[in-house]
Amino acid sequence: GNSVTQMEGPVTLSEEAFLTINCTYTATGYPSLFWYVQYPGEGLQLLLKATKADDKGSNKGFEATYRKETTSFHLEKGSVQVSDSAVYFCARGGSGNTGKLIFGQGTTLQVKP
Amino acid sequence: DVKVTQSSRYLVKRTGEKVFLECVQDMDHENMFWYRQDPGLGLRLIYFSYDVKMKEKGDIPEGYSVSREKKERFSLILESASTNQTSMYLCASKGQGRGWDTDTQYFGPGTRLTVL
Repeated sequence: GNSVTQMEGPVTLSEEAFLTINCTYTATGYPSLFWYVQYPGEGLQLLLKATKADDKGSNKGFEATYRKETTSFHLEKGSVQVSDSAVYFCARGGSGNTGKLIFGQGTTLQVKP
Repeated sequence: DVKVTQSSRYLVKRTGEKVFLECVQDMDHENMFWYRQDPGLGLRLIYFSYDVKMKEKGDIPEGYSVSREKKERFSLILESASTNQTSMYLCASKGQGRGWDTDTQYFGPGTRLTVL
């Protein structure tokens, strides 16, 4: 099938810790891959994306690499801050040209000072 | 910057009421989407529209309808609200094609709907 699976949350880290949020997908072909972030009380914002295999998306110190061999797009950050506390959603582009996105269930990150 | 606005941030309605959620985008995007967000389930697509007066069902269309009379506006309608429709509703828009910018969906701030 076509799906996106994220690691279960919540993830609780201390400030300056290393972050990894795992994301794997199933798909035919090579869809675009996205990470969206939702801060408390807000809608989703695009954090980063990658459109083809081996591309690395990066923004605000976050990175994710499109790995077609493992069908993964894990999100990483070397040193998290309290302000990174949010819900993170992995998503993949849908099939065809509809522009649909298929989202993972979201991972809540809480960073403590 | 793309701006997607939703008519209300919070809404409280009673069971059986007809509810309208409005979404407006200012970037002349062809595609617009309505999702609902529930804990542990992520975002689920209710309906989407790829052009004026065009609509397609998403994964969970039951109990909902939509209207797209103008390109910039996409309305979600709950004909007879029920308590299991209590949720966060998110609207998004997207340009056409597979280019770097047009590949991205842009989201509104969400409407938290409570049905009593």
